[in-house]
Amino acid sequence: AQTVTQSQPEMSVQEAETVTLSCTYDTSENNYYLFWYKQPPSRQMILVIRQEAYKQQNATENRFSVNFQKAAKSFSLKISDSQLGDTAMYFCAFMKFNNAGNMLTFGGGTRLMVKP
Amino acid sequence: SQTIHQWPATLVQPVGSPLSLECTVEGTSNPNLYWYRQAAGRGLQLLFYSVGIGQISSEVPQNLSASRPQDRQFILSSKKLLLSDSGFYLCASSETGGGEETQYFGPGTRLLVL
Repeated sequence: AQTVTQSQPEMSVQEAETVTLSCTYDTSENNYYLFWYKQPPSRQMILVIRQEAYKQQNATENRFSVNFQKAAKSFSLKISDSQLGDTAMYFCAFMKFNNAGNMLTFGGGTRLMVKP
Repeated sequence: SQTIHQWPATLVQPVGSPLSLECTVEGTSNPNLYWYRQAAGRGLQLLFYSVGIGQISSEVPQNLSASRPQDRQFILSSKKLLLSDSGFYLCASSETGGGEETQYFGPGTRLLVL
């Protein structure tokens, strides 16, 4: 079974600064997907970024980028130029490749507060 | 792209009453569908998933059940609610085949059992 660990329950950052959220996972699989989801106060879960394990290049979406270290089983999220709207819970998630149900395993989340 | 609808948005129910939460999906066919529960300040727990009409898999033993009467409709039910059923319920959908495995979520239903 896979496990996903987010070791930072809460973090804060000043507006316009950069912050990195940590995620580690445990799996014996070689092919898989990793995701970061954002859950703002509305509680809607929003996909932030996705990484395929077979891709060496780190995924980037505008101000959001990941540092994917496959050997270390680490998948951190970097938010650059933090904005007040980035305040949310952030969840890291793992999906096994070719898993019939496409099921996700979530970490426990990191609450990020962006301060003005 | 997919759009996932959930209703109701908020529900307050007495202990012992029945429950029916509905999820419908637009913009895709034959999706995988999921029900998650989230307690306040906590992560997501997968309750049920479905890979097709009438096909339901349960991840945890519980007081709830799920059904998929149509391709893009997923229903979460209970005959008698417990206090512990309170929480935030999220429906999610993912496409099948074609390499697009990402799960997309609906807006959720807040359930309070009193």
